Parts: sequence; structure tokens; C-alpha cells
Amino acid sequence: EAQVTQNPRYLITVTGKKLTVTCSQNMNHEYMSWYRQDPGLGLRQIYYSMNVEVTDKGDVPEGYKVSRKEKRNFPLILESPSPNQTSLYFCASSPVRGTLLNEQYFGPGTRLTVT
Amino acid sequence: GDSVTQMEGPVTLSEEAFLTINCTYTATGYPSLFWYVQYPGEGLQLLLKATKADDKGSNKGFEATYRKETTSFHLEKGSVQVSDSAVYFCALTDPWDNQGGKLIFGQGTELSVKP
Repeated sequence: EAQVTQNPRYLITVTGKKLTVTCSQNMNHEYMSWYRQDPGLGLRQIYYSMNVEVTDKGDVPEGYKVSRKEKRNFPLILESPSPNQTSLYFCASSPVRGTLLNEQYFGPGTRLTVT
Repeated sequence: GDSVTQMEGPVTLSEEAFLTINCTYTATGYPSLFWYVQYPGEGLQLLLKATKADDKGSNKGFEATYRKETTSFHLEKGSVQVSDSAVYFCALTDPWDNQGGKLIFGQGTELSVKP
């Protein structure tokens, strides 16, 4: 089944404790992206990757890191989480940018709470 | 910059009622427009899309027409069902941006359909 998977689905952590949220897709998509969803703000892009070893900042990258060592994986790293990073996080993937008509496929989401 | 504005929710309707969720956008280029749906506890799924002026996207009884003159992409359905209860997001991508396929989302509109 074609899908985007994220782990964990729920996470409660404390300020300053490094964490990683994994994202994996099995559709051989070049493009992957992370979004955060906050009430009243919709989804905002954190980072994106056009292909292996190519990553770039989205609209709200502060406090986050990503890596793209393999095509299928795009982990989101919070080196020192803070309470303002409490949010619902979505990973998404799509085929190459050349056809922007392509839909993005979203993972099920990771609900992160930082106390 | 580009932006999307949706009508405030929540919207509560009775089964078989007519649905309209308003969406307007601001974009410098000629964006592609999308409606995504998020069912409770799930990630976003593409509902429909339109890539140029006057295009009509449709799926599962939902429709939206790309209106360049009014910069709108309103979502409509003639007869809603309880199973349509979800959060609906209007979004765009701008082919001329330099962030390869970034989706810009509205804030989301929650729909609740009562039997």
C-alpha cells in the first residue's frame, strides 16, 4: 500500500530533551516536506527536500533540523524542544516538482507536547 | 506573499443540506488550487484540484471552480452526509515560487453534519 508513515504518533516530552520524528514513504517520491498545524493558522511548512541530500527552509524552520540521506526517509529533529513547538506535525511527499499538479500525500500526523 | 483565506468555522449542517465553504486567495502568479480534507485522527487527503482559471474540480459530490476574476475557489456540495464531517483546507501552490511545490494553506474549516 502506498503510504507515508510517521513515528511516533503521540509524544510528550520536556523542554530541552532532543527528539526525532521519523517519516518514511514507499512511493519513490523525490519531494518531501514537513508541516506543522496549529489552530487558526492552518498548516505551515517547516522544511522541504527536493531530493536526496537537498534540503531547504520553509516558512517556520527555527528550532528544527532535517536530513535526507535516503530517498524514502525524511526525519524531523528538534535539538532542544520548547513549549512553542507543541503542535501537530505532518510529513508529506509528492513526485517531482515539474508537475505541480501532483497531489501531496500526507502522513497520519504526530502530536507533540513539550512541557 | 501568497495567502489563502477561508471562512470561519465550525459549520454545522443537517444531513442533506447544501454546503458552501468560501475560499479566496492572493497570489502573484497563476497558482494551482486545492481542497484537502482531514477526517478525525487522520492526515490530509486531496479532495479536488484545479490548475487554471475556470477549471472545475470535482470528487465525491464536492465541486469547486477556479475563479480568477474573484480570486476564489469555493467548495460546494449539494447534499452533505454525516460521513462528510471533517476539517476542510483550501490551499494553493505557486508555480513561480522557489520552494518547489510548497502548499500554502488556509486556516481550515471544521464541518459537522448532524443526522
